[in-house]
Amino acid sequence: SQQGEEDPQALSIQEGENATMNCSYKTSINNLQWYRQNSGRGLVHLILIRSNEREKHSGRLRVTLDTSKKSSSLLITASRAADTASYFCATRNQAGTALIFGKGTTLSVSS
Amino acid sequence: NAGVTQTPKFQVLKTGQSMTLQCAQDMNHEYMSWYRQDPGMGLRLIHYSVGAGITDQGEVPNGYNVSRSTTEDFPLRLLSAAPSQTSVYFCASSSPSQRGGHNEQFFGPGTRLTVL
Repeated sequence: SQQGEEDPQALSIQEGENATMNCSYKTSINNLQWYRQNSGRGLVHLILIRSNEREKHSGRLRVTLDTSKKSSSLLITASRAADTASYFCATRNQAGTALIFGKGTTLSVSS
Repeated sequence: NAGVTQTPKFQVLKTGQSMTLQCAQDMNHEYMSWYRQDPGMGLRLIHYSVGAGITDQGEVPNGYNVSRSTTEDFPLRLLSAAPSQTSVYFCASSSPSQRGGHNEQFFGPGTRLTVL
């Protein structure tokens, strides 16, 4: 079964608004990663947060991690139409030998 | 660097045919993985490799075969194609993190496979 589960499945907002999506996972982690996928293309890495970090920023992205709740959130501030994409969280499999992904959150930003 | 390359980009097969999806990376990454992506299902791990000569099964390995004879190449073989294997296939590579776990994963552009 998939390790991470994103919530919500779909999110529609206006340009300039903030978008928050959540990820829950099942086993212990070394790090948690977020990826973006534009329609029909390969995934692109956005940000990695280590298990001993609680918050990390990269430009308009803010990621938090709560290992006690096995959850993470991705906040995109001041969204733009170009942020329209699917967003996935990824964690390691139980053996720690591969990354596995959730089903993703589809974000639609309208102008 | 070309990164992760996949061929072909598109393929149509008839049920029962076999084929190989090619994947290559030029970043000297130890880890390579194959995923399939279906609507509403996200990415599901098919097979993966942690180094040349070492492969293992992921979440949905049935009907697929892999080998890793070199660090650069990680082909995925469909033994006898079925309509249920219609999907988009992504290959990815990464290196192990010195702090444990994986560094960021790089993805190929994908192969769209239709099985009739």
